[in-house]
Amino acid sequence: DQQVKQNSPSLSVQEGRISILNCDYTNSMFDYFLWYKKYPAEGPTFLISISSIKDKNEDGRFTVFLNKSAKHLSLHIVPSQPGDSAVYFCAASSPNSGYALNFGKGTSLLVTP
Amino acid sequence: ETGVTQSPTHLIKTRGQQVTLRCSSQSGHNTVSWYQQALGQGPQFIFQYYREEENGRGNFPPRFSGLQFPNYSSELNVNALELDDSALYLCASSGGGRSYEQYFGPGTRLTVT
Repeated sequence: DQQVKQNSPSLSVQEGRISILNCDYTNSMFDYFLWYKKYPAEGPTFLISISSIKDKNEDGRFTVFLNKSAKHLSLHIVPSQPGDSAVYFCAASSPNSGYALNFGKGTSLLVTP
Repeated sequence: ETGVTQSPTHLIKTRGQQVTLRCSSQSGHNTVSWYQQALGQGPQFIFQYYREEENGRGNFPPRFSGLQFPNYSSELNVNALELDDSALYLCASSGGGRSYEQYFGPGTRLTVT
């Protein structure tokens, strides 16, 4: 069963606006949440992470928000740039399982000029 | 700092054959994890190696096996290849103070005919 879900397969945003990518999870044992960006024919690139003891983490244009009670997290990209166009994966892990990553199916983001 | 490298980039094999994929971890990282990414899906955890021992395994049959060497590089072996094994195989390394953050290599694209 899919423990991490990204329910929007695709998202289109204008350059300069905010991109919001969403992710839901079912396993309350998850302690760490990560976002990866993937271009075709490349491996996933780590973007940002958040621990379950926090509700927000920011790194430059990227901010991740975590709502533990709703088992929901989101990635905000502000401002969006055409180079941000890629597939974004949400992943979750637990120290109980050696931090093995459980991935969602990804959201394809297109940033248009 | 050297990133995660994988070889070969692409591979074509016939059903029933065996294949070995290789991975060199990022410098300073002692843990290697392997993932399989089928088309349109998120990566699925195969197994993880820490200090040359298997440290966790996902829902993959025993014909998927691995090794980790003293220099922390790793191999993924798949026996009796099946058509459904066609996928992108990703290696990720982690270690140091932020063990929950995994950094991926570019992947090996395996096609089974």
